[in-house]
Amino acid sequence: GQQLNQSPQSMFIQEGEDVSMNCTSSSIFNTWLWYKQDPGEGPVLLIALYKAGELTSNGRLTAQFGITRKDSFLNISASIPSDVGIYFCAGQLEGRGSTLGRLYFGRGTQLTVWP
Amino acid sequence: EAQVTQNPRYLITVTGKKLTVTCSQNMNHEYMSWYRQDPGLGLRQIYYSMNVEVTDKGDVPEGYKVSRKEKRNFPLILESPSPNQTSLYFCASRELAGDTDTQYFGPGTRLTVL
Repeated sequence: GQQLNQSPQSMFIQEGEDVSMNCTSSSIFNTWLWYKQDPGEGPVLLIALYKAGELTSNGRLTAQFGITRKDSFLNISASIPSDVGIYFCAGQLEGRGSTLGRLYFGRGTQLTVWP
Repeated sequence: EAQVTQNPRYLITVTGKKLTVTCSQNMNHEYMSWYRQDPGLGLRQIYYSMNVEVTDKGDVPEGYKVSRKEKRNFPLILESPSPNQTSLYFCASRELAGDTDTQYFGPGTRLTVL
């Protein structure tokens, strides 16, 4: 199946630091979604991106849809303890028949924030 | 309140005993999916449905069945569960409308097959 390469796999940072993670693919995507999952919960949508080059913010979070349409980035500024969790990228391939509507997920970035 | 509900939240069963995990959404979304989440493997799609009576295989459909007889419900069926199906399962409901593409996840079902 389609692979999204998400990195880094894990991050250990101090409160107040900025965080950056990304997802790349060998295929072109027309949608990128970023999710956060808290322990014991389902993933929650943070940011959705629909156009190449699009830059969208949600509070301290900023995500960008790469110009090549094969990558996306998520930045968290001034991290706080409640930012702890697993962050997932997800993307939808350019619609082609049976793949239309399928979302592909990265393997996640585990973020740990030390006070 | 817009939500996706799953039941049960936790289930321990034995090999070969048929089980069903229910999923329901109240957002009138046409698109629904099932995922399993395993350590180090992220979220993998099992089956998805783009509308009533329309279902298709995801990345890991073996050993699972689904049905979509009505828009709000999308049950996941394990006819003969095996230990390798021990996992955390998520149902999701997705809104695809114009430029909008957002997916909402249920709270998860933790399944253990002995």
